[in-house]
Amino acid sequence: GNSVTQMEGPVTLSEEAFLTINCTYTATGYPSLFWYVQYPGEGLQLLLKATKADDKGSNKGFEATYRKETTSFHLEKGSVQVSDSAVYFCALSDRGGSNYKLTFGKGTLLTVNP
Amino acid sequence: NAGVTQTPKFQVLKTGQSMTLQCAQDMNHEYMSWYRQDPGMGLRLIHYSVGAGITDQGEVPNGYNVSRSTTEDFPLRLLSAAPSQTSVYFCASHSGRGNTEAFFGQGTRLTVV
Repeated sequence: GNSVTQMEGPVTLSEEAFLTINCTYTATGYPSLFWYVQYPGEGLQLLLKATKADDKGSNKGFEATYRKETTSFHLEKGSVQVSDSAVYFCALSDRGGSNYKLTFGKGTLLTVNP
Repeated sequence: NAGVTQTPKFQVLKTGQSMTLQCAQDMNHEYMSWYRQDPGMGLRLIHYSVGAGITDQGEVPNGYNVSRSTTEDFPLRLLSAAPSQTSVYFCASHSGRGNTEAFFGQGTRLTVV
């Protein structure tokens, strides 16, 4: 079956530091890949996505590149802000058949200190 | 647009009680799903639906029932609440195409005592 593995948290950084959150996946098909973000007390919202190999998703200064050869989709940001403090989830979609299911990683809590 | 609306936001139940978590979406999405979020476990799929009248089990379906009588609504029923069902529950919807965004409700924090 499909699975997503992302780095264990929590991650604590100072403002303006560089962020990397690793994500690797296992999929039987050719999935789309996503990063979702959950701010405190809220539901998940899409941060960025990539639908084919070598695609780069980007949003709000965050980037991730779909690497089929290493089955990875690492999230990066060059300079984090306090407002980036949240839980980040890597996810993939199974496009097999007529169904569409999201498989999530366990989430990584990021805390950014001023 | 309201997007995905979940009610209630908070609920405390006694062991053995039943209740229904409500979920409604106004985006005409075919696909809806329920997840539970537990510390260290991420999001786990409980049940999902690919259209009105069609539901199926996810990863952790035991103790929960669903039905989908309309495109808009997808309620989750707890038949006999247990402390192990203490969790945060999220409803999500999307159009059903594999590269599109899923929209989430704000969650229901359920405590079973």
